[in-house]
Amino acid sequence: DAGVTQSPTHLIKTRGQQVTLRCSPKSGHDTVSWYQQALGQGPQFIFQYYEEEERQRGNFPDRFSGHQFPNYSSELNVNALLLGDSALYLCASSFYLGADRQETQYFGPGTRLLVL
Amino acid sequence: RKEVEQDPGPFNVPEGATVAFNCTYSNSASQSFFWYRQDCRKEPKLLMSVYSSGNEDGRFTAQLNRASQYISLLIRDSKLSDSATYLCVVLNSGYSTLTFGKGTMLLVSP
Repeated sequence: DAGVTQSPTHLIKTRGQQVTLRCSPKSGHDTVSWYQQALGQGPQFIFQYYEEEERQRGNFPDRFSGHQFPNYSSELNVNALLLGDSALYLCASSFYLGADRQETQYFGPGTRLLVL
Repeated sequence: RKEVEQDPGPFNVPEGATVAFNCTYSNSASQSFFWYRQDCRKEPKLLMSVYSSGNEDGRFTAQLNRASQYISLLIRDSKLSDSATYLCVVLNSGYSTLTFGKGTMLLVSP
């Protein structure tokens, strides 16, 4: 049973460029959440996708956008990259049990983005 | 005040030591709490959930004090393999998004 997979593993971009990161959820999972982890910090919630819609969003600018496909995989897009966007981007998948129901989130290995 | 605050690290302990991590959270409506472990340059992995009654998993014990909005993790008989960053995590109500603390690094030496 494949776990959460992410691609690419590493990426180097320059300021102003755009980047797309990809995530395939664990088999049977329908919800994908994205987190940004800067060096020395805990992961911060970016947004969550369910049924191909953005369901919740953290405190991130509109430069961060995403998409979920019918097969539940997801993309994170970041436009106009800034140096401060350099971080580990983590994807987590879960199976939606209903509002206020606890779901275990499984994390992928992450994509390490460096913006020069 | 940050939503989830943890002890600043790192904690340097010898093998066999007992070490305790502390965490406080600001949202009194939070219902679910976890400790995650993150190895260097790897993804976070769920270590254990934290229940009001306290729970134990081998050498690991987690406690929750809702009145004080305080969570703890105790590791007994530390092993070299316990070296990692320990993240205190709160589940937000609604759609199961997680709020992480900054993490506390543990270094266990021979």
